[in-house]
Amino acid sequence: DTGVSQDPRHKITKRGQNVTFRCDPISEHNRLYWYRQTLGQGPEFLTYFQNEAQLEKSRLLSDRFSAERPKGSFSTLEIQRTEQGDSAMYLCASSLGLAGKFFGPGTRLTVL
Amino acid sequence: DAKTTQPPSMDCAEGRAANLPCNHSTISGNEYVYWYRQIHSQGPQYIIHGLKNNETNEMASLIITEDRKSSTLILPHATLRDTAVYYCIVRVADSNYQLIWGAGTKLIIKP
Repeated sequence: DTGVSQDPRHKITKRGQNVTFRCDPISEHNRLYWYRQTLGQGPEFLTYFQNEAQLEKSRLLSDRFSAERPKGSFSTLEIQRTEQGDSAMYLCASSLGLAGKFFGPGTRLTVL
Repeated sequence: DAKTTQPPSMDCAEGRAANLPCNHSTISGNEYVYWYRQIHSQGPQYIIHGLKNNETNEMASLIITEDRKSSTLILPHATLRDTAVYYCIVRVADSNYQLIWGAGTKLIIKP
């Protein structure tokens, strides 16, 4: 499969725990994006990488959220001290140039 | 990025053309129009994009008005699998992300 993959697909955690999600983009895509989506809403941009450089992170929801892409390939999104309001679908996408983004299937987070 | 306005929902009969409108009256000259769709429980899927000329690919056609203040996505022969939420987004050419996604149009294809 040559699409964008995300792991895990579902995560249930207790409030206060840390969680980490992984995204593997399409191999030739140099741009990688993280979005959050809540029920009935469109995706909400969080952060963006070009290769290993994080070029935009001002939209990360709080300092509890952080993302890395250490070698310019896969990326991780970490949420520390999770809150119930963090429950959402977390989407990863990749792209090359101005072409449209390819999205992964998402990781659904439930914080109890 | 300019804001877009779409109807919340639409129906279309299977086999007919589905025409999804989008208003982007504040679009700037360097902003592209992108369309994505999202089938239930899946990530969004890129469909098509354009600047000012009409565009066509294997999935759909994009018609942009001459003043660029609105556009229409056309699915020429809708199937039940085209039931999804369709998002219209505008994006500055040298920007690499869309800040603003609306709630989209829920398109229901009926047999």
